[in-house]
Amino acid sequence: NAGVMQNPRHLVRRRGQEARLRCSPMKGHSHVYWYRQLPEEGLKFMVYLQKENIIDESGMPKERFSAEFPKEGPSILRIQQVVRGDSAAYFCASSPRSFGSGELFFGEGSRLTVL
Amino acid sequence: DQQVKQNSPSLSVQEGRISILNCDYTNSMFDYFLWYKKYPAEGPTFLISISSIKDKNEDGRFTVFLNKSAKHLSLHIVPSQPGDSAVYFCAARNTNAGKSTFGDGTTLTVKP
Repeated sequence: NAGVMQNPRHLVRRRGQEARLRCSPMKGHSHVYWYRQLPEEGLKFMVYLQKENIIDESGMPKERFSAEFPKEGPSILRIQQVVRGDSAAYFCASSPRSFGSGELFFGEGSRLTVL
Repeated sequence: DQQVKQNSPSLSVQEGRISILNCDYTNSMFDYFLWYKKYPAEGPTFLISISSIKDKNEDGRFTVFLNKSAKHLSLHIVPSQPGDSAVYFCAARNTNAGKSTFGDGTTLTVKP
C-alpha cells in the first residue's frame, strides 16, 4: 500500500514564476491537508480539503496561493508569482477520517526554492 | 497566537536514559493530542496519540501524559535509543475543526 506521494521532491523557481505541487493521498483516504515548514520553523497549517471541496483554508495566504482536490487525480497546491519568502518545504498529509484522533500520514515533502 | 508550544528547541540525553519532551497548549477545545517524529528530509510520522478524556497512553517505549488542568502534555521515551534522534512535533486537534495544529518541534539527540 503506497504511502502519500508528493512530487516534485525538489522544485526551483525564479521570482514571478508559478509553482505547482502535487499530492496523491494514501489509497482510501479522502481527507488531504497541506502544511508548510519554513526554515527553522514548525509545521504551519495551510488548507484542508476533501474531494472537490475546500473544508478549511484559514492558513492559506490570501493572494497567490490556491489548492484543489479534484474528483479524479491528485491534490494540487498552486503558488503564483512566487517570491523568495515562499521558499519552504511543503508537506501533504492524508487521513482516512476526520473524527477521532485523526492521525495524519505525511508525504516526504516538496522543497521549493525561489531564486 | 501560537496555540501549541514546545518551549525546548532541543534536548540531549544518554542512550538508555529517559527522554521527556514537553508541550503546552492554550485552546481548551482541543480533544486529541498527537506526537509525530521527523527525520531530516522526510515527512513526519505518527507516533502516539491521547484523547482529552484520558491522562495516559502507552505504546511500547513511548508514553504520553496529559494534564488537562495545566494544559500540558509530555512524551516519555524509555529507554532512549540513538535511533530516536529526530525532531518531535506535538500536535493538537479539535475533531469538529478537522485540522491539526503543530508546535515548532523539539530536536532530540540520543548519545551512544
